Amino acid sequence: NAGVMQNPRHLVRRRGQEARLRCSPMKGHSHVYWYRQLPEEGLKFMVYLQKENIIDESGMPKERFSAEFPKEGPSILRIQQVVRGDSAAYFCASSPAGGRNQPQHFGDGTRLSIL
Amino acid sequence: DQQVKQNSPSLSVQEGRISILNCDYTNSMFDYFLWYKKYPAEGPTFLISISSIKDKNEDGRFTVFLNKSAKHLSLHIVPSQPGDSAVYFCAAGGGADGLTFGKGTHLIIQP
Repeated sequence: NAGVMQNPRHLVRRRGQEARLRCSPMKGHSHVYWYRQLPEEGLKFMVYLQKENIIDESGMPKERFSAEFPKEGPSILRIQQVVRGDSAAYFCASSPAGGRNQPQHFGDGTRLSIL
Repeated sequence: DQQVKQNSPSLSVQEGRISILNCDYTNSMFDYFLWYKKYPAEGPTFLISISSIKDKNEDGRFTVFLNKSAKHLSLHIVPSQPGDSAVYFCAAGGGADGLTFGKGTHLIIQP
């Protein structure tokens, strides 16, 4: 499967714990984007990364959320000290290098539930 | 403040007829527009896109129309098929940056 791979598909955490969501982009893609979707809402942009660089994090909450895309391995979205309001579906997308006006291709998401 | 609006939460169309999904935007900086289709528990699937230098793009049964002066785009699906039943999201962007999505329209194709 050469598509965008996200894991885990479902993640349950208790309030105060940490959540780590992983995303492997499509083969040949070097741009990664993270989005969050609340029930009955559209996807909201969070952060845009290239290898080892955060390009745009204007949609990231200022506290508790961080993202990385290391030279080797998947991109990670990390949420520290989770709260109930973090419950959502988190989607990762990727696009090719030189990505101006290139479609973003999405993974199937991680559904995060906070108890 | 919603910059991309899909004002119809749902749309019901008979199989074989044309489905028309609408989208309005407010940000004049958007220059690239996309439509995605989404099934429950799956990620959005890219359908078709259009650059602001064009007013129409066609791919098989799917055609996207862009009216820049009205800041309006639409997706036409013809003929509509049962497998087209899904939530359709309109998205907009500029450059290689994050997309802004509408809230989606749930399309139901009736036999």
